[in-house]
Amino acid sequence: DAGITQSPRHKVTETGTPVTLRCHQTENHRYMYWYRQDPGHGLRLIHYSYGVKDTDKGEVSDGYSVSRSKTEDFLLTLESATSSQTSVYFCAISLQGRDTEAFFGQGTRLTVV
Amino acid sequence: AQSVSQHNHHVILSEAASLELGCNYSYGGTVNLFWYVQYPGQHLQLLLKYFSGDPLVKGIKGFEAEFIKSKFSFNLRKPSVQWSDTAEYFCAVKGTSGTYKYIFGTGTRLKVLA
Repeated sequence: DAGITQSPRHKVTETGTPVTLRCHQTENHRYMYWYRQDPGHGLRLIHYSYGVKDTDKGEVSDGYSVSRSKTEDFLLTLESATSSQTSVYFCAISLQGRDTEAFFGQGTRLTVV
Repeated sequence: AQSVSQHNHHVILSEAASLELGCNYSYGGTVNLFWYVQYPGQHLQLLLKYFSGDPLVKGIKGFEAEFIKSKFSFNLRKPSVQWSDTAEYFCAVKGTSGTYKYIFGTGTRLKVLA
């Protein structure tokens, strides 16, 4: 398995509180991604990063922000968690360029009550 | 806009039956194509990939997929499924230029009956 660690693995939080999820990689891959997985929706891209301090929005970025201050770490922050953000969050990494695949972390199950 | 459609949301098969899962994509350019598998409670793992060349690609565990460019399709097949193939299967597309985003379909949940 690729060296990707997500933390925490499980979290329960209250509506309105800020939450930060961390993705740490040991592969030195340039690209990092945050997805959320929900029944009936598959995986939807939240944000991605193509280098340190270089990030861009995905298809479901509202209510989320990200930061990447080091190659190995990509943080996802829910500024004020809502029940609609209850989901399983996956981090993925890939090398730059064409003809590359993504490798996924183990996921973080977040419940907003 | 880039998108991936998986037509079968739930599939139930008996062991030894043949499997074909449909995947169509919409993308204005050259693409890489993928099938990922997610076993219950686990993360996504790469099953197979198409980058270029032979449109028939073989992956792990006896799976294969065929890229038909004219149909924008990348269907997954397995001649004889096993109970251990019970999982969710995701098709994904990525462009080969610009920013490298992986776009996923909604998934197909496969249940194989012993």
